[in-house]
Amino acid sequence: EAQVTQNPRYLITVTGKKLTVTCSQNMNHEYMSWYRQDPGLGLRQIYYSMNVEVTDKGDVPEGYKVSRKEKRNFPLILESPSPNQTSLYFCASSPYRGLYNEQFFGPGTRLTVL
Amino acid sequence: SQQGEEDPQALSIQEGENATMNCSYKTSINNLQWYRQNSGRGLVHLILIRSNEREKHSGRLRVTLDTSKKSSSLLITASRAADTASYFCATAPNTGNQFYFGTGTSLTVIP
Repeated sequence: EAQVTQNPRYLITVTGKKLTVTCSQNMNHEYMSWYRQDPGLGLRQIYYSMNVEVTDKGDVPEGYKVSRKEKRNFPLILESPSPNQTSLYFCASSPYRGLYNEQFFGPGTRLTVL
Repeated sequence: SQQGEEDPQALSIQEGENATMNCSYKTSINNLQWYRQNSGRGLVHLILIRSNEREKHSGRLRVTLDTSKKSSSLLITASRAADTASYFCATAPNTGNQFYFGTGTSLTVIP
């Protein structure tokens, strides 16, 4: 089944404790992206990747890192999480020239930073 | 911020009625997309309309695009309780490689 998977789905952590949220897609998509969703703010793009080894900042990249070593995986890294990073996070992927095609979303990761 | 805005923020209608939601955006676009999100879940793509198109249909969905006004509307006809969800527009600008989502419309369809 074609899908985008994220792990973990739920995470409660403490300030400063490094964490990684994994994202994987099995559709051979070039474009992958991370979003955070906060009430009243919609979805905001954190980072995106046009292809392997190509990543770029979105609207809200501060406090996050990403890597794209393989086409299928696009992990989101929070080196030193803070409470303002408490949010619902979504990974998404799109075929070649991702902007011109629909995005496929993962199920989301709900992160709470205490 | 280039984030779009949607109107209304919330909409409540009876089953069988039509639902219309609007999206306004700020920059020139290549395309505009509409997504649906059931509570707390991932987004599902509904329809994509390109900048050279003015109207598009998909089943009970009708999308219009007015690039001169930088706005789009999504019409859901003959709504069902299962249409209850949040609806988001997303724009792909002509320059750059980012997506910009609107703030969403929460639709409640009362059986």
